[in-house]
Amino acid sequence: QSALTQPASVSGSPGQSITISCTGSSSDIGAYNYVSWYQQHPGKAPKLLIYDVSDRPSGVSNRFSGSKSGNTASLTISGLQAEDEADYYCNSYTRSGTLVVFGGGTKLTVL
Amino acid sequence: QVQLQESGPGLVKPSETLSLTCTVSGGSISTYYWSWIRQPPGKGLEWIGYVYYSGSTSYNPSLKTRVTISIDTPKNQFSLKLNSVTAADTAVYYCARGVGAYETFDYWGQGTLVTVSS
Repeated sequence: QSALTQPASVSGSPGQSITISCTGSSSDIGAYNYVSWYQQHPGKAPKLLIYDVSDRPSGVSNRFSGSKSGNTASLTISGLQAEDEADYYCNSYTRSGTLVVFGGGTKLTVL
Repeated sequence: QVQLQESGPGLVKPSETLSLTCTVSGGSISTYYWSWIRQPPGKGLEWIGYVYYSGSTSYNPSLKTRVTISIDTPKNQFSLKLNSVTAADTAVYYCARGVGAYETFDYWGQGTLVTVSS
């Protein structure tokens, strides 16, 4: 069981916006602004999309945005495109024993 | 552009030691945190641990008794050893560069599948 909870799946149509939630606790997401999001296509390594809750690395589309409220972080993808179909993972620093925790992943289907 | 490449055996027998090396190119290993992360087939990501360029380490408590991560700065490499493996250790193993409070992974290797089987 993952320390961070994500929905198993979400879906949306091209052009729409979707939001993926990532719920943790006061030991991780609620305590630090160290939340990151990754995109993983089948058979590929994860790719960093968002770090420090809402910052985007150079080269990542501004269609991807991140936010946080309390113990829950969110990734929003606007203007959905077919190539956005992938698995998405959140992660956070934690002051609990594991130090680094990941969510269980969310499969995004573009209808 | 920083690149990471994992290498090592793809098949390990139960109770033996899994050994992988990550070679970093396009940048120096003499800064940042360097982590190993694994992903069992069809499952999510699990952080194994990191080595800092100074040689200091930190491990996931669930694996701590079986894991050693080390760094070889002249070769721009860092390594993972996981002993007493079982079928539950079968996974794709990724090496990655950690930034921030080391929990953000901005560069990843392509991953290597290690199967534990006799």
